[in-house]
Amino acid sequence: AQSVTQLGSHVSVSEGALVLLRCNYSSSVPPYLFWYVQYPNQGLQLLLKYTSAATLVKGINGFEAEFKKSETSFHLTKPSAHMSDAAEYFCAVGTGGYQKVTFGTGTKLQVIP
Amino acid sequence: NAGVTQTPKFRVLKTGQSMTLLCAQDMNHEYMYWYRQDPGMGLRLIHYSVGEGTTAKGEVPDGYNVSRLKKQNFLLGLESAAPSQTSVYFCASSPGGGGGANVLTFGAGSRLTVL
Repeated sequence: AQSVTQLGSHVSVSEGALVLLRCNYSSSVPPYLFWYVQYPNQGLQLLLKYTSAATLVKGINGFEAEFKKSETSFHLTKPSAHMSDAAEYFCAVGTGGYQKVTFGTGTKLQVIP
Repeated sequence: NAGVTQTPKFRVLKTGQSMTLLCAQDMNHEYMYWYRQDPGMGLRLIHYSVGEGTTAKGEVPDGYNVSRLKKQNFLLGLESAAPSQTSVYFCASSPGGGGGANVLTFGAGSRLTVL
């Protein structure tokens, strides 16, 4: 079975500091990987996705993620945190013939002024 | 476009009562999903559908039933609600086709409390 593990349920950064949210995946076949963001009292929306075209993927709002097969990782980064980045972030993997999408447990990002 | 619409947004039930959550999408998506979100557990897949008239079980299907009689609608039913089903429920849809095309569009969520 495919799965993702997000290290750290809560991450705090200062405004302007680097954001690094960690995600490791487990998959017996080449994975499709996603990062979603959830703002308070809202549904999830797509930040970016990896589909094997390029290992460095750029998403919305200045976020990017790098697929590293040797490390089975897909960490999310942003060079400079903004207050509006405070949200919960979910890593996800396409599974089971890619019909099902399995989510990690999420990481809440707090941005300190 | 409305995208994915969930009804109702909030509901309080007593143990043993039944209810149905409705999900409607207007994007002509093939796939639809029901997830539940609980603190510290992320999103867990309850049931999903890869086309009109089809349904399949996800990770946590017990206590729930679903139907997809029309392509645009996906209903989630609780026949006899239990306090363990207190959660926020999210419906999502995707174009299907597998792989990177399987990007999910989510509804705003339905918060269910079972007393």
